[in-house]
Amino acid sequence: DTAVSQTPKYLVTQMGNDKSIKCEQNLGHDTMYWYKQDSKKFLKIMFSYNNKELIINETVPNRFSPKSPDKAHLNLHINSLELGDSAVYFCASSQSLAASYNEQFFGPGTRLTVL
Amino acid sequence: AQSVTQLGSHVSVSEGALVLLRCNYSSSVPPYLFWYVQYPNQGLQLLLKYTSAATLVKGINGFEAEFKKSETSFHLTKPSAHMSDAAEYFCAVSGGSSASKIIFGSGTRLSIRP
Repeated sequence: DTAVSQTPKYLVTQMGNDKSIKCEQNLGHDTMYWYKQDSKKFLKIMFSYNNKELIINETVPNRFSPKSPDKAHLNLHINSLELGDSAVYFCASSQSLAASYNEQFFGPGTRLTVL
Repeated sequence: AQSVTQLGSHVSVSEGALVLLRCNYSSSVPPYLFWYVQYPNQGLQLLLKYTSAATLVKGINGFEAEFKKSETSFHLTKPSAHMSDAAEYFCAVSGGSSASKIIFGSGTRLSIRP
């Protein structure tokens, strides 16, 4: 059973389009995250949700809007896609926000290419 | 504020040789430290973690790391490299506030020479 799953795995789209990436975890965790990994492998946190509540929003453009319908799902919607949005986006989850329990489990990633 | 610095963006070793990947951290509170591995076209997976129990931490695939407070280091080692160890390795730190987040280093790419 996949612990953290993301769809789609690959996403190729034109500038200006709107797209969504879905994430689901079956670990029973309270906390979920979105990360962006650039071409140099640098991993940057974008958002964190705890029990469906937004906890961390790391100066991400308003074009990015996370949505958590329940604590097992955290989706990422991106409006008006730009070339600079091309990256690999990772979803992750952890048992809680507490430092002693926030070992994170990552999904396989979604490679977004904006043309 | 917390941060990690990984020394060396690329390390190359021969198969069977010692692997040493360096990580130094900065934290104003007792840290929790992690090493994650990312194989090509995959997500990150946890290798090992330090949570103040024992300073020498053993992880999966024969890796271990030693927490040295005096040196603010958490270097990752493996006595004998295997071809399958070729991957990107990330050191990370967390701790402190109730809304902790993990701060990742910039990564070190490990290559294994036959």
